[in-house]
Amino acid sequence: GAVVSQHPSRVICKSGTSVKIECRSLDFQATTMFWYRQFPKQSLMLMATSNEGSKATYEQGVEKDKFLINHASLTLSTLTVTSAHPEDSSFYICSASLPGQGSYEQYFGPGTRLTVT
Amino acid sequence: QKEVEQDPGPLSVPEGAIVSLNCTYSNSAFQYFMWYRQYSRKGPELLMYTYSSGNKEDGRFTAQVDKSSKYISLFIRDSQPSDSATYLCAMSAETGGFKTIFGAGTRLFVKA
Repeated sequence: GAVVSQHPSRVICKSGTSVKIECRSLDFQATTMFWYRQFPKQSLMLMATSNEGSKATYEQGVEKDKFLINHASLTLSTLTVTSAHPEDSSFYICSASLPGQGSYEQYFGPGTRLTVT
Repeated sequence: QKEVEQDPGPLSVPEGAIVSLNCTYSNSAFQYFMWYRQYSRKGPELLMYTYSSGNKEDGRFTAQVDKSSKYISLFIRDSQPSDSATYLCAMSAETGGFKTIFGAGTRLFVKA
């Protein structure tokens, strides 16, 4: 149980274009999803917390107009990187927590590797 | 000072060894302590979580929390090459809205 999927697993795009990444909880309803960014050999950096039906809460330093997050249903959250630039190239990982358990028990998707050329 | 400190390694051990992975932290409000395993180019996988102080065992894995010292450990017994991965500690507190803070991760290599 508690499976989270992400799509696509890897994407290459040109500078200036937008990229959408989907995160789905497959066998449970996730009221809260999280989006992280991870640089090589570094830990996870929380970008934003996404609650179903409400606006995402962004961490300090994360541009909400550049990283658009939508959590339209209890099983789907999307991250759109708008006007991507090479410095946005990174590994993006989403996670979801089980209802009623806060963020201390998170289940992660397999990640999406974004390369902006 | 980072809220959570974790030695990035790498840590290299022979197969069958007992592995000890550790994290220290500065925020005494942390209540939930987690260990995640991350294989290369994959998302982290929750291994164990512990509430407050104490020990928790699951198969070859044992998690220990010492809140008085602000120190947590993960022990792996009879380590296997398949245990080779990056291990991230993580912790959260209700006062922080359960926001999870991750350590940098320790890279572990178990040699056959």
